Amino acid sequence: DTGVSQDPRHKITKRGQNVTFRCDPISEHNRLYWYRQTLGQGPEFLTYFQNEAQLEKSRLLSDRFSAERPKGSFSTLEIQRTEQGDSAMYLCASSLGGQSEQYFGPGTRLTVT
Amino acid sequence: LAKTTQPISMDSYEGQEVNITCSHNNIATNDYITWYQQFPSQGPRFIIQGYKTKVTNEVASLFIPADRKSSTLSLPRVSLSDTAVYYCLFSSYNTDKLIFGTGTRLQVFP
Repeated sequence: DTGVSQDPRHKITKRGQNVTFRCDPISEHNRLYWYRQTLGQGPEFLTYFQNEAQLEKSRLLSDRFSAERPKGSFSTLEIQRTEQGDSAMYLCASSLGGQSEQYFGPGTRLTVT
Repeated sequence: LAKTTQPISMDSYEGQEVNITCSHNNIATNDYITWYQQFPSQGPRFIIQGYKTKVTNEVASLFIPADRKSSTLSLPRVSLSDTAVYYCLFSSYNTDKLIFGTGTRLQVFP
């Protein structure tokens, strides 16, 4: 399977803990995106990379959030000092850029207790 | 990016054609109209994209009038497996991010 993969699929953590999610994009895609989705809402853009460069960050991405794509392949999204409001589905997508479609992974569902 | 407006929900029966209309009064010249489908607990999946007139692929058609202030996604002969949320949004050369609204929840009944 050459689709976008995310790990873990589910994460339960206690408030104040740090969590890290991983995304492996489709191998030839140079663009990688992170979105967050809460129940009943559409996905919200967080940030995106072209290769290893982080080109845009949303205001939603507070200083507790950091994303990296060190070698232009996989990416990690870290949330420090998690809060209950961080509970959501975190979606990763990749594309060839420009007008090409974005391919989404299955998401990581985070529950902060 | 311009905002889109679409119905919150729609119901249909198997075998019927479903048309979901999206309004986008302030669409920019560079914006393409794109539709995604999302099933519960899955990431969205690209359905179709267009700039103007009509685009058709193996799963849907997209109708865009000349003024581009609205668009209609047409799903021919829906089945139960088409029950999902459908998002109308824009993509542009100016930015890569996708701006999703709340989408249209389509329920297909047997």
